Amino acid sequence: HSVLTQPPSVSAAPGHGVTISCSGSSSNIGSNYVSWYQKLPGTAPKLLIYGNNKRPSGIPDRFSGSKSGTSAILGITGLQTGDEADYFCGTWDDSLSGAVVFGGGTALTVL
Amino acid sequence: QVTLRESGPALVKPTQTLTLTCSFSGFSLRDNGMCVSWVRQPPGKAPEWLALIDWDDDKYYTAPLKTRLTISKDTSKNQVVLSMTEMDPVDTGTYYCARTISGWDGYYFDSWGQGTLVTVSS
Repeated sequence: HSVLTQPPSVSAAPGHGVTISCSGSSSNIGSNYVSWYQKLPGTAPKLLIYGNNKRPSGIPDRFSGSKSGTSAILGITGLQTGDEADYFCGTWDDSLSGAVVFGGGTALTVL
Repeated sequence: QVTLRESGPALVKPTQTLTLTCSFSGFSLRDNGMCVSWVRQPPGKAPEWLALIDWDDDKYYTAPLKTRLTISKDTSKNQVVLSMTEMDPVDTGTYYCARTISGWDGYYFDSWGQGTLVTVSS
């Protein structure tokens, strides 16, 4: 099982918004920055958010990130059918002699 | 423009050693904050981080596989190599290399290779 916990799936209608949570502990999310990735079938993951809430160039502001304590949230507004994908979070974990940890991924369905 | 490309065998037999090469361009592993990681995704499962090597030649491995993994770099060739011993069918999946940034905003993967599918079967 993954060190970071995400809901297996979320869904929402086109045009609506959705949030995806990522829960960890004091040794990972609680003390390190969180990043978020989008994974479409058959393609490489794509960085959406880094440093908890920063967007790389080219990522629309419909995507946002936040962190509070040992949890992080990815928000997506104005859902489009092209947003249907798997989303996973990642961070560093200080308790494992230094290691990157990922969430188990959340499948977004745009109904 | 940053690009990464994985290469290696598509099929390995159980107990064999897998060796994958990540060839990259657009950045140098001599530069502070630059790292390369390997991430794999078994079919139908979540991505799993495997290993990271940084500009200072520090190496980090996922704990469950630490005894089986070796990561190394050839800075002059812009390549990073991952070796995984004792391959098992559960190791089947797509293996990605990714540029990893280490800095004020923590660690994150900003560029990825297209991935290479590795099947472990006799």
